[in-house]
Amino acid sequence: DAKTTQPPSMDCAEGRAANLPCNHSTISGNEYVYWYRQIHSQGPQYIIHGLKNNETNEMASLIITEDRKSSTLILPHATLRDTAVYYCIVRVIDTGNQFYFGTGTSLTVIP
Amino acid sequence: DAGVTQSPTHLIKTRGQQVTLRCSPKSGHDTVSWYQQALGQGPQFIFQYYEEEERQRGNFPDRFSGHQFPNYSSELNVNALLLGDSALYLCASSRGTGGLSNQPQHFGDGTRLSIL
Repeated sequence: DAKTTQPPSMDCAEGRAANLPCNHSTISGNEYVYWYRQIHSQGPQYIIHGLKNNETNEMASLIITEDRKSSTLILPHATLRDTAVYYCIVRVIDTGNQFYFGTGTSLTVIP
Repeated sequence: DAGVTQSPTHLIKTRGQQVTLRCSPKSGHDTVSWYQQALGQGPQFIFQYYEEEERQRGNFPDRFSGHQFPNYSSELNVNALLLGDSALYLCASSRGTGGLSNQPQHFGDGTRLSIL
């Protein structure tokens, strides 16, 4: 029941910015976009979330288009430790606080 | 500040057996959700507990049940285990529940359950 579409895999050179796209064309006005990542054998790690304004924290930046139909997660200076599966999630407002994960984007940072 | 902790980390069972997995939420969190993650797939929502009651449930059979204790910790029970129940079981905690909360969930590292 995932409401997002992501490319299955991406590569990024170490030290460069990694831009991970996500399509959520059916998003409703009060639904937030969340990003998590999962490194092998660990649980998903929260990165950032937003509603309609761009957001930035110590890990990443989130850019949401004006029509809210898509977003981009930006890791400004990718390191080898950023190699992981990245999930873009839209929380379905009428089903409480659980998240519906898709299959995510497998990001490989190349030395 | 301890995060979400799960036990055990690994478990091996045989078909037909029963299993109990445990989760302690992050400090200050009162809502616990459980997810099943098959190999190569994203996590799938099982159910959510708040105030010791099951509040939301995903598309999982009644063999999957849970419990939340007054200290907010939680258990996931699976009866009559099938080979297809082999997966990583993740617990996530958050503060508050209901549609008005936008607080993110924080995940533990999971219990790897293998069914022989």
